[in-house]
Amino acid sequence: QAVVTQEPSLTVSPGGTVTLTCGSSTGAVTTGHYPSWFQQKPGQAPRTLIYDTSNKHSWTPARFSGSLLGGEAALTLSGAQPEDEAEYYCLLSYTSARVFGGGTKLTVL
Amino acid sequence: EVQLVESGGGLVQPGGSLRLSCTASGFSFSSSWMHWVRQAPGRGLVWLSRINTDGSSVDYADFVKGRFTVSRDNAKNTLYLLMNSLRAEDTAVYYCASSRGTGYWGQGTLVTVSS
Repeated sequence: QAVVTQEPSLTVSPGGTVTLTCGSSTGAVTTGHYPSWFQQKPGQAPRTLIYDTSNKHSWTPARFSGSLLGGEAALTLSGAQPEDEAEYYCLLSYTSARVFGGGTKLTVL
Repeated sequence: EVQLVESGGGLVQPGGSLRLSCTASGFSFSSSWMHWVRQAPGRGLVWLSRINTDGSSVDYADFVKGRFTVSRDNAKNTLYLLMNSLRAEDTAVYYCASSRGTGYWGQGTLVTVSS
């Protein structure tokens, strides 16, 4: 089974920009992995932010965007807000399975 | 209002079985692929299984193949997860989630495997 890697932790200043990445042990991440991104705050269920690399849901704040960057999936937060402090998970699709990354704890400080 | 409500969690002894349910409302359940995901205490999200719209195609994570079975009843807008031969390491909050295009999650149900 593939391993999906994320930065364990990142810090961003309020109003700043940060990029979280998501890599695959099988090689470059492509649109065919249908990368998704999820936000989870303590004590809450996850919330889907981005699907199919860059598509947003109606509830996704405009400051979040998804892309492919250097062979990895990326989630960029532009103009970080205190409420964006959370754990962020990516999910990649493989032939017969999906695999989550280990999560990135994002601190807004 | 969209809702996914999981139920059926609780305390079970090692080696036991449990069936979780996920009841959907507020969106087209029968048109949505569905997933089960779990999260052990203090740990990350782990994908378990997905089922297509009519239940004819199912995938599982390697570590639950042969022990867990996912199914759905579109007439009841309900997704199921039957878990057999439960182990302590299966202790987790179990979430159902709709396909990535809709992106809905339930609040989860806690399963504790302990003697």
